[in-house]
Amino acid sequence: DIQMTQSPSTLSASVGDRVTITCRASQSISDWLAWYQQKPGKAPKVLISKSSSLESGVPARFSGSGSGTEFTLTISSLQPDDFATYYCQQYNSYWTFGQGTKVEF
Amino acid sequence: EDHLVESGGGLVQPGGSLRLSCAASGFNVDSKFMIWVRQAPGKGLEWVSAIYSGGSAYYADSVKGRFTISRHNTENTLYLQMNSLGPEDTAVYYCARGSRYCSGNWCYGEYYFDFWGQGTLVTVSS
Repeated sequence: DIQMTQSPSTLSASVGDRVTITCRASQSISDWLAWYQQKPGKAPKVLISKSSSLESGVPARFSGSGSGTEFTLTISSLQPDDFATYYCQQYNSYWTFGQGTKVEF
Repeated sequence: EDHLVESGGGLVQPGGSLRLSCAASGFNVDSKFMIWVRQAPGKGLEWVSAIYSGGSAYYADSVKGRFTISRHNTENTLYLQMNSLGPEDTAVYYCARGSRYCSGNWCYGEYYFDFWGQGTLVTVSS
């Protein structure tokens, strides 16, 4: 099974900050990686697929990069609506999520 | 507009059974990849069971032999039959629709999850 490890687990930030979350796969997954945002009591929402492809309607301040085993999600200028938990997910072989990164004030 | 609405969750005793439903509108469940994903209280996300448009079904090791995924085409509903439930199955269960990368007329690769229901809570406790 492919394991996904995110860092950090918690991130303290302020509005306007540039935020970067890292995700590492236990083996190469090419670029079959998605990022999701989840707010308390809500379902996850996909932000990025195929490592760097922004989903329709997602603000351009979100970007993704990486291939193989190392991936990053960047929020260029954190907005109040962005305080949430973020998950990476590999879909190269079945589906595995990272443990999540909570972005808090 | 597309919608997914889960139902069927609730409190069940260990060893009991429950059937979850996921009613879809705006698209046909039998023509899409669909998946159940769960989230234990305060924990991360775990895929449970998936079904491809062709009917092939897959299960996480943690539920294999106990859970069964199915769909009812005329009711446009996805189901998850859960048997022999244990406390470790306590979670919010989400159904989600899959999407994959397409370039021109070609789509390839595996599915990620582009549309989710609101979830239904299953609590296994005596």
